This record gives sequence, C-alpha cells and structure tokens, in this order.
Amino acid sequence: DTAVSQTPKYLVTQMGNDKSIKCEQNLGHDTMYWYKQDSKKFLKIMFSYNNKELIINETVPNRFSPKSPDKAHLNLHINSLELGDSAVYFCASSRGQGWDNEQFFGPGTRLTVL
Amino acid sequence: GQQLNQSPQSMFIQEGEDVSMNCTSSSIFNTWLWYKQDPGEGPVLLIALYKAGELTSNGRLTAQFGITRKDSFLNISASIPSDVGIYFCAGQEETSGSRLTFGEGTQLTVNP
Repeated sequence: DTAVSQTPKYLVTQMGNDKSIKCEQNLGHDTMYWYKQDSKKFLKIMFSYNNKELIINETVPNRFSPKSPDKAHLNLHINSLELGDSAVYFCASSRGQGWDNEQFFGPGTRLTVL
Repeated sequence: GQQLNQSPQSMFIQEGEDVSMNCTSSSIFNTWLWYKQDPGEGPVLLIALYKAGELTSNGRLTAQFGITRKDSFLNISASIPSDVGIYFCAGQEETSGSRLTFGEGTQLTVNP
C-alpha cells in the first residue's frame, strides 16, 4: 500500500501552459507539504497545510497555488509555466506540525518545461 | 534562510568500507533526521534524533545528535552496493515547527 502517492510521475509541457500535480496520503496524517528539488538535488520547502489550512508559504511565485480539498489531499497548480520551473516536486506528510513529527515523502513528479 | 552544511558532497568507496558524513548548522535544532534517496524515488527516513547527545542505530547505520544541537553525523558500517544513493540530513529549528531544512546531500557510490 502506497503511503504518499503523487500523479503524474512525469510531466512534460510547453512554457506558458498551466498544469496540476496531485498528492494523496493514506496515513491519516494532518499535515502535508510540497517540496521542490532542483537539478543540484537541493530540497526546499514550498508549502505546508495542516488540516486543510495553509501554515507555511515560502517565497514562491504566486503562479504556484496549492489546494487542499481535504486533509488527505494536497494538490499543486502551476500557471504560466516557465523553464525554471523544471524540477522534481515532492509531496510529503506528517502526523502533525510539531518538531517531533517525521515527514514521509511521495515518489516525486518530474516536471520538464520546454 | 537557515542552511545546513553537509559534507562530503560525494564519496566513492569499496564494498565493505565504513562511511561517515556530517551536517552542521549555525543555529540550534530540535530534531535531526537522516534520509536516503534512491534514483527516481522520494527521500526515505533512515534515522530520527530528538535529544542532544542521542546516539541511535538502525542496522548498519548509526547517527548522533550533537551535544551542541548544531550538528549531526551518520555512519554506515560495512557498506554494500545497495547503499548507493543520496543521503540527506534535515533538521527542525526550535522555532520552525514542522519546517524541515535540508542539507545539500552526500552522493554515495559503492564499488563492488
């Protein structure tokens, strides 16, 4: 059983398009996250939601809009895609938002913008 | 923002050798985590440390939470080919709640 799943695994699209990535967790966790991993493998947090409420919003262009329809899902919509958006995007979840809550990661979505 | 300095950036070792990597920060952390990422996969948690001075093992892996709360190391003993991957340290600062800051990763290559 997959704990944190993401779709699609790969996404290739043209500059200027709008695309969405979906994430679901079946761990019963309250907190979910989106991370971006660049070509140098550096992982940086983008957003975090706790019980459908936005709690972390790093300095991310407003072309990126997360949406959490329920606490098991956190989707990421990206408008007007740019070349620099090419990266691997990881969803993660944790039981809560305290410092002692381990984060579990999904398999990633590799986004390529042409 | 806070950066974690992770070293070395890469290591090439022979099967059977021991490996050590470490992370340092300029501020105090409440939690140190070590993750491993295989190609095409997400990071998987190896060891979590919650107390200064804590030494924890998971099979051939051993990690320690530095006494100053500003550093951590990970040791892998008797490496095997499937240890290949990128190892990341990650930490949660005192005031950052669940926000994780990651190190830059250590790419480990094990030659059979």
